[in-house]
Amino acid sequence: AQSVSQHNHHVILSEAASLELGCNYSYGGTVNLFWYVQYPGQHLQLLLKYFSGDPLVKGIKGFEAEFIKSKFSFNLRKPSVQWSDTAEYFCAVGPDRSNDYKLSFGAGTTVTVRA
Amino acid sequence: NAGVMQNPRHLVRRRGQEARLRCSPMKGHSHVYWYRQLPEEGLKFMVYLQKENIIDESGMPKERFSAEFPKEGPSILRIQQVVRGDSAAYFCASSSGPKGEKLFFGSGTQLSVL
Repeated sequence: AQSVSQHNHHVILSEAASLELGCNYSYGGTVNLFWYVQYPGQHLQLLLKYFSGDPLVKGIKGFEAEFIKSKFSFNLRKPSVQWSDTAEYFCAVGPDRSNDYKLSFGAGTTVTVRA
Repeated sequence: NAGVMQNPRHLVRRRGQEARLRCSPMKGHSHVYWYRQLPEEGLKFMVYLQKENIIDESGMPKERFSAEFPKEGPSILRIQQVVRGDSAAYFCASSSGPKGEKLFFGSGTQLSVL
């Protein structure tokens, strides 16, 4: 079975600081990779995804993630965070395109941005 | 709001009671998925339903848990005789097809078992 590991449980930083959230997965085959975000009181929403092609993926709200196959990693980055980026971030992996509704999620990283 | 609606947001039950969690998919979506997030863990797939059919229940516990998605009305996740270990956040997602990239999630129901 796949496992997804997010390195940090809680990250606290100031506005304008750079953010990088680590994500590693165990599955060795072809994977689909996702980052989801849940703002306080809201639903989970998709930030970005990687299926194939350019390993540097651009998402919404200035986020990007880089797929490094040799490291089984899909780290999320944002060069300059805002207070509104305070949220919980989940990395997820789907096994293949035929049934990738069975996503495996990391435990999540809570990001708190201080104004 | 045309998003995935889950209710209640918070549900408190005593051990042995029944819990019913409801999920209304996005308009036009006929595929529903339930995920569970236990404390300190990631979301884990439970069940995938289409209207009136269970497609994949490989993530559902064998006992006390059931799910349905009737022709009319919301999808229901039912937990009978709840135990403290059932305390978790339960997320519902919907899509127009069985593709992870097309999943839209709800806000979740936090179940607390006393």
